[in-house]
Amino acid sequence: DQQVKQNSPSLSVQEGRISILNCDYTNSMFDYFLWYKKYPAEGPTFLISISSIKDKNEDGRFTVFLNKSAKHLSLHIVPSQPGDSAVYFCAASAGNYGGSQGNLIFGKGTKLSVKP
Amino acid sequence: DTGVSQDPRHKITKRGQNVTFRCDPISEHNRLYWYRQTLGQGPEFLTYFQNEAQLEKSRLLSDRFSAERPKGSFSTLEIQRTEQGDSAMYLCASSFINSPLHFGNGTRLTVT
Repeated sequence: DQQVKQNSPSLSVQEGRISILNCDYTNSMFDYFLWYKKYPAEGPTFLISISSIKDKNEDGRFTVFLNKSAKHLSLHIVPSQPGDSAVYFCAASAGNYGGSQGNLIFGKGTKLSVKP
Repeated sequence: DTGVSQDPRHKITKRGQNVTFRCDPISEHNRLYWYRQTLGQGPEFLTYFQNEAQLEKSRLLSDRFSAERPKGSFSTLEIQRTEQGDSAMYLCASSFINSPLHFGNGTRLTVT
């Protein structure tokens, strides 16, 4: 039973346009959400996070939106750059980074390709 | 900040052998995590330490797996009597409490 779902295995966008990556979750106990980026042969790198008390968090070209009623979050990258080409993982935790539990639940990832 | 370091990067072993991986976290971090990632999947939580105490273990961590973090510094993950299903990327991460995880580049295990 997948608690965090990324239903699009891949996404291709043109350089300079917006990339929108989507994530759905089923566990209503999740209260913290994160996006990680992963290049081949490297570990995941933290990108941006959002607490369930917010509906939007922005950091430069990256914005994460949270819709709690729909149990849905999305990552917007504007403008997209070829260097953004990577696999993006959505992750969730219960208890603020799993403050008492210590673990993140990851989706399967979406491979983003940004074409010049 | 030298990042999370994992050794070895690759390990090929025969079924039934024991293997041990090492993780050196970011020195100031008090939490250390082990995750496993198989092809086409996201990382899956295995276990985590706060300082030297192992606070949680996933049901994925069978009794063939053991992790230690002596003195709250580096950590080792040992797999005994390896099986082909153990083939995966083993990722270590570290963090402060209530902070994002910083991952290493992983150890890729292949069991033949």
